[in-house]
Amino acid sequence: DAGVIQSPRHEVTEMGQEVTLRCKPISGHNSLFWYRQTMMRGLELLIYFNNNVPIDDSGMPEDRFSAKMPNASFSTLKIQPSEPRDSAVYFCASSSTSAINEQFFGPGTRLTVL
Amino acid sequence: QKEVEQNSGPLSVPEGAIASLNCTYSDRGSQSFFWYRQYSGKSPELIMSIYSNGDKEDGRFTAQLNKASQYVSLLIRDSQPSDSATYLCAPSDYNFNKFYFGSGTKLNVKP
Repeated sequence: DAGVIQSPRHEVTEMGQEVTLRCKPISGHNSLFWYRQTMMRGLELLIYFNNNVPIDDSGMPEDRFSAKMPNASFSTLKIQPSEPRDSAVYFCASSSTSAINEQFFGPGTRLTVL
Repeated sequence: QKEVEQNSGPLSVPEGAIASLNCTYSDRGSQSFFWYRQYSGKSPELIMSIYSNGDKEDGRFTAQLNKASQYVSLLIRDSQPSDSATYLCAPSDYNFNKFYFGSGTKLNVKP
């Protein structure tokens, strides 16, 4: 079975550029989560969706960050404009609320903003 | 602010010993609790979940939960060098959906 798929795996960009991260959840899962991990702040929840609807975006750091889930099999996290402090590993995770809500993580996207 | 506290370590144990990882949490409404293992440069991997007070065993892993004390632990028996990783504790909210991750405990198992 395919797990959570994220792309790209690595992204290097310059300050001010737009960055789009992509995620495909596990088939049949109806909740999707975007996390950011840094050494200083650990693993932080940015936003999560349930049945394609954003439920809690309180972790989104500022208006430069936006996330969408146009259908059950695809989500994007966009940063515009990007800043060096956005450098981190961004993880997408998915779960099924019909089961026991265990979250399964994708491989992550390592973002470096120069 | 819902807090999850873990000793950052590193916790060093010899091969074959029992490793004990501890976690306390502030949200009394938390209903489910998860342990993730994260190797350096990799994504978190779910290894255990526990929902009721008491112990839950899965192979060499035992999770222990005490909701009254707001405490959850993970025991790893017969520790192996391949167990060397960072272990993240994650209570959920009362809806079972949103997880709050601790900062993790780094475990080193010495051959």
